[in-house]
Amino acid sequence: KAGVTQTPRYLIKTRGQQVTLSCSPISGHRSVSWYQQTPGQGLQFLFEYFSETQRNKGNFPGRFSGRQFSNSRSEMNVSTLELGDSALYLCASSQPPGHSSYNEQFFGPGTRLTVL
Amino acid sequence: DAKTTQPPSMDCAEGRAANLPCNHSTISGNEYVYWYRQIHSQGPQYIIHGLKNNETNEMASLIITEDRKSSTLILPHATLRDTAVYYCIVSLKNNAGNMLTFGGGTRLMVKP
Repeated sequence: KAGVTQTPRYLIKTRGQQVTLSCSPISGHRSVSWYQQTPGQGLQFLFEYFSETQRNKGNFPGRFSGRQFSNSRSEMNVSTLELGDSALYLCASSQPPGHSSYNEQFFGPGTRLTVL
Repeated sequence: DAKTTQPPSMDCAEGRAANLPCNHSTISGNEYVYWYRQIHSQGPQYIIHGLKNNETNEMASLIITEDRKSSTLILPHATLRDTAVYYCIVSLKNNAGNMLTFGGGTRLMVKP
């Protein structure tokens, strides 16, 4: 079956703009998590969604937000972009909580965001 | 979640076994050891996980010491396509959330 898909793959924005990234999980996966990867900070957890509800949130400012739709697709939004937001944004999906494989995450290829 | 320590880089000859160590001396009794890898320009890929018994799947074997303070991921016959950054992560296996804490990982270079 198809893997996790993320769109767009590449994006260039300027400071102060906002951006919305999209993630479609593997069919049947209902938990979606987002991560930010930068050379300086490595891979950091942003948030997790299940059943259209945010379950957990990492240590990021309120400019970072997300949502999940009834079909499990998820979007994340970053408002008032800063240069430091330039990163690879990764989406991961997994089976729903309660499933034996819930904690095994499958990652998409990421969206590379460049803020100028 | 417990912290892990991995060597920053390792080399391995193609066709030989790659043994990637990980120290997790503060692991608690209900925390699992997970391994992921990230090939250049791709998202991380789940490899294997275990609690205290050794585990094997089609990708790798995971050996966890009896005191659970360290583990080794074994790629039995490394290929050039196994060149990647390998992350050892210690995490609870529960329904409270999927919050992987990635460290620096080990950059494995498989050489011909």
